[in-house]
Formats: sequence, structure tokens, C-alpha cells
Amino acid sequence: KAGVTQTPRYLIKTRGQQVTLSCSPISGHRSVSWYQQTPGQGLQFLFEYFSETQRNKGNFPGRFSGRQFSNSRSEMNVSTLELGDSALYLCASRPGAADPGEQYFGPGTRLTVT
Amino acid sequence: AQSVTQLDSQVPVFEEAPVELRCNYSSSVSVYLFWYVQYPNQGLQLLLKYLSGSTLVKGINGFEAEFNKSQTSFHLRKPSVHISDTAEYFCAVCRTGYCNTGKLIFGQGTTLQVKP
Repeated sequence: KAGVTQTPRYLIKTRGQQVTLSCSPISGHRSVSWYQQTPGQGLQFLFEYFSETQRNKGNFPGRFSGRQFSNSRSEMNVSTLELGDSALYLCASRPGAADPGEQYFGPGTRLTVT
Repeated sequence: AQSVTQLDSQVPVFEEAPVELRCNYSSSVSVYLFWYVQYPNQGLQLLLKYLSGSTLVKGINGFEAEFNKSQTSFHLRKPSVHISDTAEYFCAVCRTGYCNTGKLIFGQGTTLQVKP
């Protein structure tokens, strides 16, 4: 099976712009979670989607949003980018609703805000 | 709320030596515990997990970890490291009964530097 794929791998944006990141989960996986990784804050949970519904959300401002499509692919959007949004954004997928939390991570999208 | 503390930010060790990466968690409820490894420019890969049962858990690449409920620890060990083990290691927890909503709480990570 192919692993979790994320596109693009690298992005450079200017402060104030918006950005959309994409994640394709492992085939058959219905849950997708997003994490932000920075040197200062480490890995922080953004949100999780299952069957197109957001089931859990971390402590991030409303500028961070996401969605999931019927094929389980997910996108996250960050509006009005700030310098502090520079980070590695990781997507992770899981098979379904009842598994005990084991997640399979993609390689990430490195976002740089200038 | 749960929290995870990885006690060492960097651990240098010589090749073929044993290593222990320490992880303590704080939680008033039962949790599941995980260790992930991140190689440069890659995502995270699961090394091992503790859900229940035997407190000694064996994972991939010769790693193992021991769950100690009384000390709220989940330290990762390997008896003999290789250069290829150089990476960043993350300890993570999720609250049992809520793990299915995808939220893992991660420690800050420990960089393992294996020297020849």
C-alpha cells in the first residue's frame, strides 16, 4: 500500500497570504489528523477528521481550518499567514473510528512564511 | 489534561553502546503510550506502543520500552545502537477512550546522536 502523501512538500508564502495543504491518507483509512511541528512548540495537534466530520480540534486560532472529502483526502487551510505559522505540517491517517490511536504519518509540508 | 516530558533533549552515544531515552507522562486517567522516530526530512514512524498487558513492549529495529505505572514512565531502550539510529525520538500519549479522535500529546523530542 502507498503511504500517506502530502502536497506540496515545500511552500514559501508571504505574510498575509493564505495557503492550502493537501493530504491523501493510506487507502482504506478514514481518519486524518493534522499536526504542526515547530522547534519551539514541538508537535501540536490541529484537528482530526473522520468521514468528512471534524471530531476533534486543538487549540489553534480560527485562521486554521480543514476539511475532508468523501474519498478521505483532507485539506487544511491557513488564512492571513503570520511569520509564526512557519512550520512543518504533518498529516496522519488511521484506519477507522475504533482503533487505539496508532497513526501513520506523511512526510510533511514545510511552510515558510516571509 | 495529559502532558509528556522527555527528560533529555539530546543523547550522544557511541555505536554499539546501549541507550535509554526517558519519557515521563502526567495524567490522572489511563493512557495509551507510543514512541515514534523521525528521520531528517521525513514524517514520524511508529516504533512501538503500549495499550495494555505486559509492561515490556518490543518494537521495530530492536527497540523496546517498559511501562511503569507507579513512576508514570515509558522509557525507550536499545541494547546496541547503530549509526542509522541517529534521529529524533518522540514519546506520545492519548487518553484511553478518546484516542480514536486522533489527538496525540507529544513530548518535545530527544535527538539521538550515534557516533562511530
